[in-house]
Amino acid sequence: DTAVSQTPKYLVTQMGNDKSIKCEQNLGHDTMYWYKQDSKKFLKIMFSYNNKELIINETVPNRFSPKSPDKAHLNLHINSLELGDSAVYFCASSSRLAGGPKDQTDTQYFGPGTRLTVL
Amino acid sequence: KQEVTQIPAALSVPEGENLVLNCSFTDSAIYNLQWFRQDPGKGLTSLLLIQSSQREQTSGRLNASLDKSSGRSTLYIAASQPGDSATYLCAVPYGGSQGNLIFGKGTKLSVKP
Repeated sequence: DTAVSQTPKYLVTQMGNDKSIKCEQNLGHDTMYWYKQDSKKFLKIMFSYNNKELIINETVPNRFSPKSPDKAHLNLHINSLELGDSAVYFCASSSRLAGGPKDQTDTQYFGPGTRLTVL
Repeated sequence: KQEVTQIPAALSVPEGENLVLNCSFTDSAIYNLQWFRQDPGKGLTSLLLIQSSQREQTSGRLNASLDKSSGRSTLYIAASQPGDSATYLCAVPYGGSQGNLIFGKGTKLSVKP
């Protein structure tokens, strides 16, 4: 009963290729995210999706495009892969985007990560 | 711009010790602060979330405190065990978007049997 799942777990590809990483959550959450963890283990937000709409787009290259076919899925498409794209990509979800001093619904749940290696 | 710093970067302790991990943030206007655990090669597991109106949260042997005015949070681990070995990250919501998290670089904890 994995709450947030990602496929594939490992992805090795050549520069210039186009690839996709899939993410699914079965928590009934409204908001999903993509994070990138670089070689120095620094975790940084890339995108947020709320109710199938992109609401925050951090300054990532437009070669990266999130696509959400439905509320439970947020896939990450990457075009023209570059060496610097090598990293671990994490998907996450939370009940809602807007925070507030109410309850634990702001907790983000993370997937296991996808290690992307670009050769 | 919000920045999150965690000290120390790494910590090694013998089993059974109580320990404190530190997290500081530059912008005190936060809604909440979250502590995560990351095991090698794995994703993140949420440990505790403290709302801005709270001063602390407890879960088992873990206790997290929050002092918004001073921009600090601590994670206290009581009676540490080898299974506690992992990297611990704190994170706060980003600017006007409360969902996006800004992470510290983590504290790598090693508990020796």
